Amino acid sequence: AQTVTQSQPEMSVQEAETVTLSCTYDTSENNYYLFWYKQPPSRQMILVIRQEAYKQQNATENRFSVNFQKAAKSFSLKISDSQLGDTAMYFCALGAGANNLFFGTGTRLTVIP
Amino acid sequence: NAGVTQTPKFRVLKTGQSMTLLCAQDMNHEYMYWYRQDPGMGLRLIHYSVGEGTTAKGEVPDGYNVSRLKKQNFLLGLESAAPSQTSVYFCASSYMWSTDTQYFGPGTRLTVL
Repeated sequence: AQTVTQSQPEMSVQEAETVTLSCTYDTSENNYYLFWYKQPPSRQMILVIRQEAYKQQNATENRFSVNFQKAAKSFSLKISDSQLGDTAMYFCALGAGANNLFFGTGTRLTVIP
Repeated sequence: NAGVTQTPKFRVLKTGQSMTLLCAQDMNHEYMYWYRQDPGMGLRLIHYSVGEGTTAKGEVPDGYNVSRLKKQNFLLGLESAAPSQTSVYFCASSYMWSTDTQYFGPGTRLTVL
């Protein structure tokens, strides 16, 4: 069975500061991918960053980076230089095995001006 | 290039009524998915399709039917709506497996009275 756990329902960060969102997962698959999706108030789900499990190097996309700890089954998202537009729900997701993405319950991030 | 579009954006039904949600994608993706999003539960897969003419059940398929008569369209039907089906519905598509990036539509907010 695949599970994704996000233990921080809500977080806040001051504008221009750095924040880290946590995610842990469980899977018995050897080949899998991990994702962070952003859902702003508009409701649109937007891919933030993607990590292949077979790659040891952590993925980065501009101000967004991940800390992928495969042995610990941890996949955290770091947002640097936080901007007001980063205010959103953030979902961690696991793609493994069957034709399905398994989502966590989300973390609501508020960037404070 | 519109990506993934969904029709309608909002709908209110009475218990027992039927309706169809339409999803369309113009990215020539093989895989298409229907999710529902409920408060505090993340996204859960209802049904999915791995290609034109195919459909399969996801995590929460009861009360829904789907059809994929054309590669670019994926329809979600509710034959007899129930209040428990009040939710936000998202369609998504991907080129290949769930390990590939999924692209989401803007969502449909459905209320069943």
